[in-house]
Amino acid sequence: SQKIEQNSEALNIQEGKTATLTCNYTNYSPAYLQWYRQDPGRGPVFLLLIRENEKEKRKERLKVTFDTTLKQSLFHITASQPADSATYLCAPGGQAGTALIFGKGTTLSVSS
Amino acid sequence: ETGVTQSPTHLIKTRGQQVTLRCSSQSGHNTVSWYQQALGQGPQFIFQYYREEENGRGNFPPRFSGLQFPNYSSELNVNALELDDSALYLCASSLRSGGAGETQYFGPGTRLLVL
Repeated sequence: SQKIEQNSEALNIQEGKTATLTCNYTNYSPAYLQWYRQDPGRGPVFLLLIRENEKEKRKERLKVTFDTTLKQSLFHITASQPADSATYLCAPGGQAGTALIFGKGTTLSVSS
Repeated sequence: ETGVTQSPTHLIKTRGQQVTLRCSSQSGHNTVSWYQQALGQGPQFIFQYYREEENGRGNFPPRFSGLQFPNYSSELNVNALELDDSALYLCASSLRSGGAGETQYFGPGTRLLVL
């Protein structure tokens, strides 16, 4: 069955450092992969989408890579800030109309 | 542009009861998906509706059912509630445009507690 693993449940870093979150998937060949941010008690908020033919995508301090050979996506937050503290979810997706399958998420804590 | 709204925000029910959760899609969106999120877990897909028809279902029993209305709002119904149904229920709307990669816009969720 399809399986998504986000490398660690919790990641603690200092303000200003780069946070790197990992998403690995098995038994799956997604056409794209999305990353979402979720704050406690709130719904996930879309951050970035990367397609299978794209190696890298950037948005402000965020960068996502997608390696379909390794079946892995890396999510980077540069110059991290305490406001970046949240749970980050990866969600590989299939073709149009198919549901997203979410990983358990990685909880990032940025300390000042 | 109005975002996704859900009601109620919180709900307490007892085992065996039935519950209906409601969702209003973001303006212009034609697809709605429902997810269940237990504490410490990622959202689990329940089902999706596209133009009032169910268009995919996750590994949930038939006592989880839904509807999508002509204005693309939606309901999630759960019968014969069990303790394990306690979770955050999320509704997400999207616009199916034919290409892969639909961004989903989530509502704030309904927190259901089954006693």
